[in-house]
Amino acid sequence: EDKVVQSPLSLVVHEGDTVTLNCSYEVTNFRSLLWYKQEKKAPTFLFMLTSSGIEKKSGRLSSILDKKELFSILNITATQTGDSAIYLCAVEAYYGNNRLAFGKGNQVVVIP
Amino acid sequence: GAVVSQHPSWVICKSGTSVKIECRSLDFQATTMFWYRQFPKQSLMLMATSNEGSKATYEQGVEKDKFLINHASLTLSTLTVTSAHPEDSSFYICSASPPRGGGYNQPQHFGDGTRLSIL
Repeated sequence: EDKVVQSPLSLVVHEGDTVTLNCSYEVTNFRSLLWYKQEKKAPTFLFMLTSSGIEKKSGRLSSILDKKELFSILNITATQTGDSAIYLCAVEAYYGNNRLAFGKGNQVVVIP
Repeated sequence: GAVVSQHPSWVICKSGTSVKIECRSLDFQATTMFWYRQFPKQSLMLMATSNEGSKATYEQGVEKDKFLINHASLTLSTLTVTSAHPEDSSFYICSASPPRGGGYNQPQHFGDGTRLSIL
């Protein structure tokens, strides 16, 4: 059974701080790892990672994957209150239909 | 970008009612869509995989007679919660991913979700 573990489960930071979120996984026939941001509604896509060591960036967010140690990191620099959300990590295996297994999420609260 | 539309966004109804939720892929065709359930402060739990033109695949512990899934076209999947009871109250979310492009897998995109409250 696929397993995705995120840490920390929740954290509170001040605006301007840097946040590092961790996601470790166990999956047979790994295909990709995805990060999503969830606020009040459904998750919005952030990154899809398939190769080790290649950093993906989008503004103040960046993510990297280590397929040898089976984990990924999501970094948020210069945090803003709008970064407050649950960050979900999911993994996909080669089952042939894009099925995802989600972790419990990292709840981030950014206070002014 | 890929857009998935889900409707309705919020439903309140009496116990015993059946509720239908629609999930549409607006700018791509999706042979497979997914239905998730999310309880407060918990992650997404996959309920079933909706397959166009064939039966849905349900996860262990999900009652297929309770949660009816129909995927009659390449852009529409529906989830019907039959004879709903208060314990069925939850946030239901669908997702779909565009076909692989240029040999690359495409990420799943989610609808806005349906908040179901059964009185």
